[in-house]
Amino acid sequence: EAGVAQSPRYKIIEKRQSVAFWCNPISGHATLYWYQQILGQGPKLLIQFQNNGVVDDSQLPKDRFSAERLKGVDSTLKIQPAKLEDSAVYLCASSLGGGGYTFGSGTRLTVV
Amino acid sequence: AQSVTQLGSHVSVSEGALVLLRCNYSSSVPPYLFWYVQYPNQGLQLLLKYTTGATLVKGINGFEAEFKKSETSFHLTKPSAHMSDAAEYFCAVSDGGSQGNLIFGKGTKLSVKP
Repeated sequence: EAGVAQSPRYKIIEKRQSVAFWCNPISGHATLYWYQQILGQGPKLLIQFQNNGVVDDSQLPKDRFSAERLKGVDSTLKIQPAKLEDSAVYLCASSLGGGGYTFGSGTRLTVV
Repeated sequence: AQSVTQLGSHVSVSEGALVLLRCNYSSSVPPYLFWYVQYPNQGLQLLLKYTTGATLVKGINGFEAEFKKSETSFHLTKPSAHMSDAAEYFCAVSDGGSQGNLIFGKGTKLSVKP
């Protein structure tokens, strides 16, 4: 079974620029999550999708972050404009239910 | 609201010694509990999980954890540390059963001395 695919692996941008991350979950997994992991901390949920609908986006900074999951499969997370404090690893995960969550390798973003 | 506390941001053990990483949780519903390991520049790999049933859970790489409801704990143990166990370990609780959001602790970095 293929895992959760994320791209790019690394990205360096200047503050105020925009950036987008892509995630392709495991086939058949209805639930998709985006997490932000700041250095030295545990991951924190940004947004949760069930198929192509948003379940929870309460911690997503909506003035600069946006996410979509068209057709209920892959997803993109965008930051515009980026701030220095957005430097983090962005992790995508998917779940079929039953307590099985699979994480991708993440995208490490550095904002300079 | 659910929360997770990991005691000790850094634990150091000698190779062959017992590994004990502590995790306490708070949950208003029967918890789903998880331990993940993260190696440098990699994503999170599931070590083990507790959903229902047997309270002693065995995972990969010789790790196990025991769910103790009375103590609201889910500590991770391994009888004999190996150099390859050096990594960061995260405890997590689901806030909504089998498909809820995972609430993570701050992590414990495990170092293994030769």
